[in-house]
Amino acid sequence: DAGVTQSPTHLIKTRGQQVTLRCSPISGHKSVSWYQQVLGQGPQFIFQYYEKEERGRGNFPDRFSARQFPNYSSELNVNALLLGDSALYLCASSWTGQGHYNEQFFGPGTRLTVL
Amino acid sequence: ILNVEQSPQSLHVQEGDSTNFTCSFPSSNFYALHWYRWETAKSPEALFVMTLNGDEKKKGRISATLNTKEGYSYLYIKGSQPEDSATYLCAFLDYTGGNQFYFGTGTSLTVIP
Repeated sequence: DAGVTQSPTHLIKTRGQQVTLRCSPISGHKSVSWYQQVLGQGPQFIFQYYEKEERGRGNFPDRFSARQFPNYSSELNVNALLLGDSALYLCASSWTGQGHYNEQFFGPGTRLTVL
Repeated sequence: ILNVEQSPQSLHVQEGDSTNFTCSFPSSNFYALHWYRWETAKSPEALFVMTLNGDEKKKGRISATLNTKEGYSYLYIKGSQPEDSATYLCAFLDYTGGNQFYFGTGTSLTVIP
């Protein structure tokens, strides 16, 4: 079975532009979470979606938005890019996204560089 | 925002040495703690899901313990091998604030052959 996939792998944008990152969860998983990881820090939670509904939102500005599609894939959008948005963006999928055994399976990430 | 701390930040050990590192988290409203291993150029891989005070989990040479009353978890690696070189992350699940994980900054382990 395919694991979590993310596209693109790498992306270079300039300040003020907009970007869309994509994630396909493991087949059968209904929950997708997005994380931002900057060098030297642990992943920071951005969003969680379950059954196309937003279940959780981290401490990120409104420039960050996401959605989940009927096939459970997800997109993360970031508008008006800032230099500080340069990071590795990780997507994680899980069966239901809740409960103790909410084991997450991570994708390889999208490396975003903002110039 | 919850504070999850890991120590040490990095560690270099000789092949065959045993080692351990710590994850500290809030002791109130505990729900679950996850450990992940993250090798360079790969995706983070789940190691353990810890839920009950006193939990001990083991996978091969790696084991973990959990103390929810004092807010810490230990990860142990017995007889370290070069393939154990990775960053080890812990993540605290906050169920009260909307079901989100708070990650520590990780412990970077290098095993020297």
